[in-house]
Amino acid sequence: AQTVTQSQPEMSVQEAETVTLSCTYDTSENNYYLFWYKQPPSRQMILVIRQEAYKQQNATENRFSVNFQKAAKSFSLKISDSQLGDTAMYFCASPHSGNTPLVFGKGTRLSVIA
Amino acid sequence: GAGVSQTPSNKVTEKGKYVELRCDPISGHTALYWYRQSLGQGPEFLIYFQGTGAADDSGLPNDRFFAVRPEGSVSTLKIQRTERGDSAVYLCASSLNSGETQYFGPGTRLLVL
Repeated sequence: AQTVTQSQPEMSVQEAETVTLSCTYDTSENNYYLFWYKQPPSRQMILVIRQEAYKQQNATENRFSVNFQKAAKSFSLKISDSQLGDTAMYFCASPHSGNTPLVFGKGTRLSVIA
Repeated sequence: GAGVSQTPSNKVTEKGKYVELRCDPISGHTALYWYRQSLGQGPEFLIYFQGTGAADDSGLPNDRFFAVRPEGSVSTLKIQRTERGDSAVYLCASSLNSGETQYFGPGTRLLVL
């Protein structure tokens, strides 16, 4: 079975600092997407960033970037200049089969401290 | 345009009752997914539709769970003879086509007493 592992149940970071959330995954697909979603207390899952596995360049969205290591099946999320609004659960997700549906990790609870 | 919407936001029912949860996907999205999220866990896949047909229902836990999408837009997740273990947040997501980025609704929190 496909698995996604997030080894950090909780993390905290000072406002304006940088934090990295880890994720490893296992998939039999050759060409696939990887995702990071954010879930604040409102429980709405919000897409943070997406990486296409066939692209060597790491995806970047403003303060969010990934470090994608395909051979190691590692997909970490870096948040720069952390803001209080970044406080949330963060989930890494990879495809189950045929690129759909998604398998999620257990999440990392991130707290940004003023 | 509008995002994915789900109704109701919260549902409290008694053990043994029947419930229906509704999902309205983003207009034009052909793929629709249902996930279940228990407390402290990530979402777990239940079923997904491509158009009107269920393309993969391997995540449905048992035959008490059923979902439909008769016109390829709105979907309803139906749970018969609810059990306390069914209590969770039920999330719906849609994507333009199968395999593309999934956008989630706010979820329905189901509590079975």
